[in-house]
Amino acid sequence: QQPVQSPQAVILREGEDAVINCSSSKALYSVHWYRQKHGEAPVFLMILLKGGEQKGHEKISASFNEKKQQSSLYLTASQLSYSGTYFCGTESAGGGNKLTFGTGTQLKVEL
Amino acid sequence: NAGVTQTPKFQVLKTGQSMTLQCAQDMNHNSMYWYRQDPGMGLRLIYYSASEGTTDKGEVPNGYNVSRLNKREFSLRLESAAPSQTSVYFCASSRYRTSGTDTQYFGPGTRLTVL
Repeated sequence: QQPVQSPQAVILREGEDAVINCSSSKALYSVHWYRQKHGEAPVFLMILLKGGEQKGHEKISASFNEKKQQSSLYLTASQLSYSGTYFCGTESAGGGNKLTFGTGTQLKVEL
Repeated sequence: NAGVTQTPKFQVLKTGQSMTLQCAQDMNHNSMYWYRQDPGMGLRLIYYSASEGTTDKGEVPNGYNVSRLNKREFSLRLESAAPSQTSVYFCASSRYRTSGTDTQYFGPGTRLTVL
């Protein structure tokens, strides 16, 4: 079963912040975040492991709440280059590096 | 390094025709994957290969077959294409056989239309 992402779409003005959520009904071992620009391949952003710390990548960071099986991606001071579709990929315990991807969150950053 | 390459980039088939999508990686990765991406559905796993010589079904394997030809190459075959298989197909690879800590690297995709 696919993890649920929210919101489905968001429009920001440059410099604004956004939070994208990913929720699973299964016990998770890891959560992976990817960004995909229109017509391109998904590109890896970060991995969060069960028991691990919050990760950061420039002005993009993420957290993993193991009890709730949820992960959140935080984009601060958004830039035009942040536009794209963000996917979470979840791995269940014993999943063998198989990821189940959410349906994506479309983010558009405008001037 | 070219990373993950896929051929062809675009393909149009008629219902019932067969074709093979090719994927190759030059990163010496052990695991390889085939996904399809449909509007509003995200990426769904078709088949994967944890290591050379092994393949396993993913979420949506019906209508597809795969071959892990060697460590570098992983092909996806549609034996009798159907309009429901119109999609963008992505191949991906990762270093480790089984690990939740490893990232997947994606190819540029094949845009397939079945008429």
